[in-house]
Amino acid sequence: ETGVTQTPRHLVMGMTNKKSLKCEQHLGHNAMYWYKQSAKKPLELMFVYSLEERVENNSVPSRFSPECPNSSHLFLHLHTLQPEDSALYLCASSQGGAIGGVYNEQFFGPGTRLTVL
Amino acid sequence: RKEVEQDPGPFNVPEGATVAFNCTYSNSASQSFFWYRQDCRKEPKLLMSVYSSGNEDGRFTAQLNRASQYISLLIRDSKLSDSATYLCVVNMDDGGSQGNLIFGKGTKLSVKP
Repeated sequence: ETGVTQTPRHLVMGMTNKKSLKCEQHLGHNAMYWYKQSAKKPLELMFVYSLEERVENNSVPSRFSPECPNSSHLFLHLHTLQPEDSALYLCASSQGGAIGGVYNEQFFGPGTRLTVL
Repeated sequence: RKEVEQDPGPFNVPEGATVAFNCTYSNSASQSFFWYRQDCRKEPKLLMSVYSSGNEDGRFTAQLNRASQYISLLIRDSKLSDSATYLCVVNMDDGGSQGNLIFGKGTKLSVKP
């Protein structure tokens, strides 16, 4: 496979369930990201990992827990979610951070469409 | 003031039309600018980076005006396949090694036959 893959593509869960989203990138990048996209809202950055270390956590509730075991894989563990957490969750990767103040483009996976009942 | 603001849209244009999208950003220290395209229920994909001198890729032209903190995207000879949401993306340099990319809400374009 090439690019950025995400599984599952669709997920329906109850508020008491625990589930995990998986992202894998085959581009040799060293930075990975989780975004949330809700209807009528811009993409919201949730977490950033660079060289497998979390470098950004944008005030995300603790019911979302990321994990980055290596530079190619990223997980988002979900537990006791709320209906308002229903959204498209997008994973992205890029090569490095800023080089001379210029940031490289991010490549996105197809997303997981999450519905919390 | 919102960090990245775009034309509200939607833009409904006939095939062959020229259409322009505008975007303003709030952080004067931003140095990286992009236009992404997002098709319905799909992930965003990079359309083009925006360089200080302006750049062109086929029917698409991007311009940057740092003084006004303004970015534009011009699409000439619109095709049906150009129908999508166009996202303006700017980095917010916080001085760290991994700056955030901030996305605008997007402008929806619909090209009609």
